[in-house]
Amino acid sequence: EAGVAQSPRYKIIEKRQSVAFWCNPISGHATLYWYQQILGQGPKLLIQFQNNGVVDDSQLPKDRFSAERLKGVDSTLKIQPAKLEDSAVYLCASSLEWRFYTFGSGTRLTVV
Amino acid sequence: GENVEQHPSTLSVQEGDSAVIKCTYSDSASNYFPWYKQELGKGPQLIIDIRSNVGEKKDQRIAVTLNKTAKHFSLHITETQPEDSAVYFCAASTGGYQKVTFGTGTKLQVIP
Repeated sequence: EAGVAQSPRYKIIEKRQSVAFWCNPISGHATLYWYQQILGQGPKLLIQFQNNGVVDDSQLPKDRFSAERLKGVDSTLKIQPAKLEDSAVYLCASSLEWRFYTFGSGTRLTVV
Repeated sequence: GENVEQHPSTLSVQEGDSAVIKCTYSDSASNYFPWYKQELGKGPQLIIDIRSNVGEKKDQRIAVTLNKTAKHFSLHITETQPEDSAVYFCAASTGGYQKVTFGTGTKLQVIP
C-alpha cells in the first residue's frame, strides 16, 4: 500500500512569512496526526484528527498555527507568521487502528 | 501530562554486541509503550510495542521489558547489525486514541 505522502520535502522561509504543509494519509485511515520534531528531540503532537473532527489540539500554538482536514482525507498545516523557533521537521502520520501509526517522511522547515 | 525520559542519548556498539535503551515515564495511567526506529530523512517506524498487562515481549532480535511498578521500560537489541544504526524513540500512551508522548531519542551506531 502507498505510504503517507507529504509535501514539500524542504522549505526555507524568512521569519514572519507564512508557510503551508500538505499531507495525504493512507487510504482509509480515519485518524491523522501532525507532529513537530525539533532537531535532537522526539516528535511532539500538534493536532490529531478523527475523520474531519479535531480530537486533540492542546499543544497547537493557535495564535500562529492552524490545520484542517477536508472531507476526512488530505490535511494542511499552516504557520502564519513563522518564528525562528518553528524550524523543525513536521511529520504527518495516519492510522487505521490506534496502535499502528504510519509516518510520512516529513517536511523540514528552516526559518531564517 | 506524561513525561518520558530516555537514556542514553547516544550509544555505540560493535557489530554482534547487544544494545540496551532505557526509558522512564511519569503517568501511572499509561498502559501502552511503543518503540520507533527513525532512519535519516525518514519518519519514525514502529518496531515493537508492549501493553501494561505484559512484562516482556520479543520479536526476533528485539525485546522489550516493562516494569510498571518502577515506571520504566527497556529495548534490547541482540546481535546488532550495521542496519540497526538509527535513532530509536520510546513512547508512552494511555491507549486508545490518546496522545502518544515520545522520549528524546537514542542515536545508535553499530560499528562493523
